[in-house]
Amino acid sequence: DAKTTQPPSMDCAEGRAANLPCNHSTISGNEYVYWYRQIHSQGPQYIIHGLKNNETNEMASLIITEDRKSSTLILPHATLRDTAVYYCIVRVGSYGGSQGNLIFGKGTKLSVKP
Amino acid sequence: EAEVAQSPRYKITEKSQAVAFWCDPISGHATLYWYRQILGQGPELLVQFQDESVVDDSQLPKDRFSAERLKGVDSTLKIQPAELGDSAMYLCASSTYLEAGYTFGSGTRLTVV
Repeated sequence: DAKTTQPPSMDCAEGRAANLPCNHSTISGNEYVYWYRQIHSQGPQYIIHGLKNNETNEMASLIITEDRKSSTLILPHATLRDTAVYYCIVRVGSYGGSQGNLIFGKGTKLSVKP
Repeated sequence: EAEVAQSPRYKITEKSQAVAFWCDPISGHATLYWYRQILGQGPELLVQFQDESVVDDSQLPKDRFSAERLKGVDSTLKIQPAELGDSAMYLCASSTYLEAGYTFGSGTRLTVV
């Protein structure tokens, strides 16, 4: 079973920041938080991951609380093309042979509206 | 940008027939995964390969599903016989030892009638 809890759906206005929450209260010390998204009829796409520090890349920012029990994915300026299902996943390891598998939940369906 | 190739893109088959899906991972990716995604749910791992060896097939219904990756490159997932409940998207993904994220293909949409 997925070890994360996400709201089933969210709306966001185009051009505004989309903040997607995720609860992972049972996360272990060696588990990373990963975010993927899946646009309709496509395979999931990797967005970002982190352990305890906040992370930013060209797609998004990841904010992890100090106790690591929750996180927020931030899309700073949402566009219509960001409409997708967003999955928050906890996974053992980051690189190398000790990686755990990706276990997906139902995710959050983000709808970006004009 | 390198992609994971899957074929066919869509497949309609009658129940009790055999069906096969093919996946060609990104060149150099030693780890290959097959996932099944039922409509409205997240992907579910079926099998994981490391080169030509199966690492995890605990969720693969082995009475009807089989997967192989004979030369450690491309892979085939087979269902025989297909059942109505097998209707789903079948996704292939690959990764390397040095990368954090998987790269997924576009999937094969299977409809069993």
